[in-house]
Amino acid sequence: AQSVTQLGSHVSVSEGALVLLRCNYSSSVPPYLFWYVQYPNQGLQLLLKYTSAATLVKGINGFEAEFKKSETSFHLTKPSAHMSDAAEYFCAVSEPGAQKLVFGQGTRLTINP
Amino acid sequence: GAVVSQHPSRVICKSGTSVKIECRSLDFQATTMFWYRQFPKQSLMLMATSNEGSKATYEQGVEKDKFLINHASLTLSTLTVASAHPEDSSFYICSAINDRGANTIYFGEGSWLTVV
Repeated sequence: AQSVTQLGSHVSVSEGALVLLRCNYSSSVPPYLFWYVQYPNQGLQLLLKYTSAATLVKGINGFEAEFKKSETSFHLTKPSAHMSDAAEYFCAVSEPGAQKLVFGQGTRLTINP
Repeated sequence: GAVVSQHPSRVICKSGTSVKIECRSLDFQATTMFWYRQFPKQSLMLMATSNEGSKATYEQGVEKDKFLINHASLTLSTLTVASAHPEDSSFYICSAINDRGANTIYFGEGSWLTVV
């Protein structure tokens, strides 16, 4: 079985500050890991995904995440927050090649001017 | 632009009535689609796997007689909430993978269901 825990249901940062959204996973097999963003009244958009290649994954909009097997983590970072980054972020895990995703609880990111 | 479209985006219905939500892949064929449900301030939970031309596969605890799924074509899956009750009020979202694509999962915009 797989599971995902996102630490912090709500994160607030100032514009220009570092964004760090935490995600820890549990998986009995080598996982595929994903970060999705959900803007208000919109569907989920893939930010980035880890599929057993490079452990540091770069995504869209300046986001990146690092897979750390020893820590079972896949934290999402962005060096400098922008107002447009305000959204809900979901971490998800799947088995390799599988299409079904197990999602974390989500983290709402607020950007302060 | 959106490659997976859901309709309606918002629906309010009376308790006891049935509501149908559509999930369409706009420019690709999808043999398999997925339906998720999200309660307020909670995660998305997989409800079922929709298979074109065959019965859906439901996750444990999901009532298949309550949440009817029909995948009649390679571009359309429908979720019907039968005899809806207020506790069925939720955000429903579908996903699909292009049969010929690079295994990228596309999500619809989601549908807000409110049962009054």
